[in-house]
Amino acid sequence: DAGVIQSPRHEVTEMGQEVTLRCKPISGHDYLFWYRQTMMRGLELLIYFNNNVPIDDSGMPEDRFSAKMPNASFSTLKIQPSEPRDSAVYFCASRARGSGELFFGEGSRLTVL
Amino acid sequence: GENVEQHPSTLSVQEGDSAVIKCTYSDSASNYFPWYKQELGKRPQLIIDIRSNVGEKKDQRIAVTLNKTAKHFSLHITETQPEDSAVYFCAASKQAGTALIFGKGTTLSVSS
Repeated sequence: DAGVIQSPRHEVTEMGQEVTLRCKPISGHDYLFWYRQTMMRGLELLIYFNNNVPIDDSGMPEDRFSAKMPNASFSTLKIQPSEPRDSAVYFCASRARGSGELFFGEGSRLTVL
Repeated sequence: GENVEQHPSTLSVQEGDSAVIKCTYSDSASNYFPWYKQELGKRPQLIIDIRSNVGEKKDQRIAVTLNKTAKHFSLHITETQPEDSAVYFCAASKQAGTALIFGKGTTLSVSS
């Protein structure tokens, strides 16, 4: 398996623009997680899904953030409108049922000017 | 919800020395405690984990200890090498399908 695949790897956009980050989890993994990493706050959990169903979205900063998982092999994290404080590395990770290990993608580095 | 505190935030050691990173957690129901290593510009990767039914686990130069009563766990790296330089994250979760909550990370620098 190619591992967790994220796109884009880098995104530079202007304040107010819509940003869509994409993730393909490892085939057969039941859980998918979105984390945000910044120097100040470390790795913050934004939302996670089990079998495509959102389980906990309490970490989503505000209504500007939304996430979907329309099927077992694809998830999106959308920010609309984006703000400079959203600049961070966004990681997607997946996990198999019964296993504790998270497998992370390479991350999407977002810069909002 | 769970809260994980990690100390120190930075740690500098000489090659060959030992390094210890400590974490505390708040939710007594947590029972899975992994450690992740993140090299510069790379993704976090699991290096060792411990479950609540054991107090210590070793894998070559790394070991993790757990004190459930005090709600803290530690990572020990012996005979450090320059390639151990990275950011280390501790985390905690309940076993049954919940998310990992991470500490803020420790930047370890090993100088030769």
